[in-house]
Amino acid sequence: EDKVVQSPLSLVVHEGDTVTLNCSYEVTNFRSLLWYKQEKKAPTFLFMLTSSGIEKKSGRLSSILDKKELFSILNITATQTGDSAVYLCAVVADNRLAFGKGNQVVVIP
Amino acid sequence: EAQVTQNPRYLITVTGKKLTVTCSQNMNHEYMSWYRQDPGLGLRQIYYSMNVEVTDKGDVPEGYKVSRKEKRNFPLILESPSPNQTSLYFCASSLRREGYSPLHFGNGTRLTVT
Repeated sequence: EDKVVQSPLSLVVHEGDTVTLNCSYEVTNFRSLLWYKQEKKAPTFLFMLTSSGIEKKSGRLSSILDKKELFSILNITATQTGDSAVYLCAVVADNRLAFGKGNQVVVIP
Repeated sequence: EAQVTQNPRYLITVTGKKLTVTCSQNMNHEYMSWYRQDPGLGLRQIYYSMNVEVTDKGDVPEGYKVSRKEKRNFPLILESPSPNQTSLYFCASSLRREGYSPLHFGNGTRLTVT
């Protein structure tokens, strides 16, 4: 059975802090790993990672994949209150997409 | 504007009364999918469709039906809803099958079955 485990499940930080979110996986025939941000409603796409060691960046967010150790990290630097959300990791393997339970991030002023 | 549209946004119904949640996308995407999201369980796939007239079961298909008669529409049908189907439902689409291009999600349908 495919497993996608995110940690920590929940964290509270102050504005300006750096956040590191972890997603580890055990799947058959890995194809890609995706990160989404979910605020009050629909998840919105952040990154898609298919190759090890290549960092994807978008503003203060960045992500990297390690296919040997089977995990990905999502970093948020200089956090703002607008970064408060649940961050979802999803792994595509064979024909299926499996989501983790999410990392809930709360950024307080 | 490119989007996935679900209706209704909120629905309260009684056990056994058939209902349909509609989903439409205007991006000419081949792939469409339905998920339910429950506290502590995350997002779980119900059904997906690779193209018109091609549908397949996801992880939790029991109690649900889908159809894909046109490329843009992918309705979710609950023939006889039960309280354990109370959940937040998301429709999503992507240009190609999931994992090869990102999913675009609708805004969700919160269903309560009493």
